[in-house]
This record gives sequence, C-alpha cells and structure tokens, in this order.
Amino acid sequence: DSGVTQTPKHLITATGQRVTLRCSPRSGDLSVYWYQQSLDQGLQFLIQYYNGEERAKGNILERFSAQQFPDLHSELNLSSLELGDSALYFCASSVRSWGDTQYFGPGTRLTVL
Amino acid sequence: GQQVMQIPQYQHVQEGEDFTTYCNSSTTLSNIQWYKQRPGGHPVFLIQLVKSGEVKKQKRLTFQFGEAKKNSSLHITATQTTDVGTYFCFDSNYQLIWGAGTKLIIKP
Repeated sequence: DSGVTQTPKHLITATGQRVTLRCSPRSGDLSVYWYQQSLDQGLQFLIQYYNGEERAKGNILERFSAQQFPDLHSELNLSSLELGDSALYFCASSVRSWGDTQYFGPGTRLTVL
Repeated sequence: GQQVMQIPQYQHVQEGEDFTTYCNSSTTLSNIQWYKQRPGGHPVFLIQLVKSGEVKKQKRLTFQFGEAKKNSSLHITATQTTDVGTYFCFDSNYQLIWGAGTKLIIKP
C-alpha cells in the first residue's frame, strides 16, 4: 500500500459525459501527478500540482482539467468524453517535486461506451 | 522535444535466464528513476541514479547510468516468476518523461 488513494476504482460512462476522478496523496506529500495509461501502453504524464499550484503540464487535452485543493487532495475532470479516453488514470504523489520518488495510487479504470 | 527511448518493448525469457532493458536519450538525462509495474498493478519505485557512470545493485538487479548520462540500463540476473511485469525508466526533470516500458514475460 503506497498511501495514495484514488476513487472511484472503476468508472463506466457514455461518450459526451463528464467525470471527476479523485486522489488523496500520502500524508505530507506536496506534489500530485496525474497520468494516463491506455491498455498495455506506457505512462503519459498529464499534469502536476505542487502545494495547490500547477507546476508542470504534459500532454493534457483541453477537455481535461485538474486542481489541487488546500487539503492537498486533487481532482481530475474529464469532459466531453470520447471512446479513446478509456484508460487507466493514475495519480502519484511525492514529498516535493521533480527528482523525488513518486508513489502511485491503485488507479481509476475509466471505460467510455 | 526530449524523448526517452526504451528497448526492447517485450522480452520473453525462460525462468533462470537474464533480462536487460535499456533507456536511451538524445539529450542529457537529469536523474533516472526505474519503476516496476506488476500485471494489474501500479508502478512501484525501484531506484534512482544521479551520477554519471553510477552503478547500483539490488540483489539480482543491477542498474547503470551511462558516463554521458544519455543512457541507462537495468539487468536482472537469473529471472524468477516474481520478476514478471513491465519495467519503466523515467527522467525525473520538469518534463516528466517516461520510457515506453519493457515487458518481461517468463516462458512457461
């Protein structure tokens, strides 16, 4: 158990819908990272927040947005969902920022029908 | 932009054989981290390499960082079924670029 929690574990929705994925980092970790992993693929970095502020941005679509709240939990919002958005979404946290070990949550499996 | 190329994509080995995965970059890597993802699981941190030419060992696993900091490798000696999974390298600078992973498959 990494100490990072993600909810929900599974999400099934339809095209065009909007969903919110939630992540609680390990106690004391200031950074949260979001990743997308399509079936049997690598990890695509989406976005990083550090202590409530956006710190780095990867290949995140405009339909996707995220935020980190004062209690350091984070939410990833995915809107106007398409079939291709079906994937495993991981959240990771680290004590500070780049160069620190990342601890991954169990992931949220999103299926768009 | 910077890319981290990881090869091979898959490696099938008999239990007891060795396994190696390589990461290469056209630009200098900051720090290399290696992670392992078991089937159905999440990535788990294995090690970080920081210095040019660094070599670190964890039991049967040997990690190397190239002298020019443009490549890294992970070598597993005498693979066991518990080694099955996908191994990722990761350049932990602000671009947060991951290799595509090498899947280790043990032949039955």
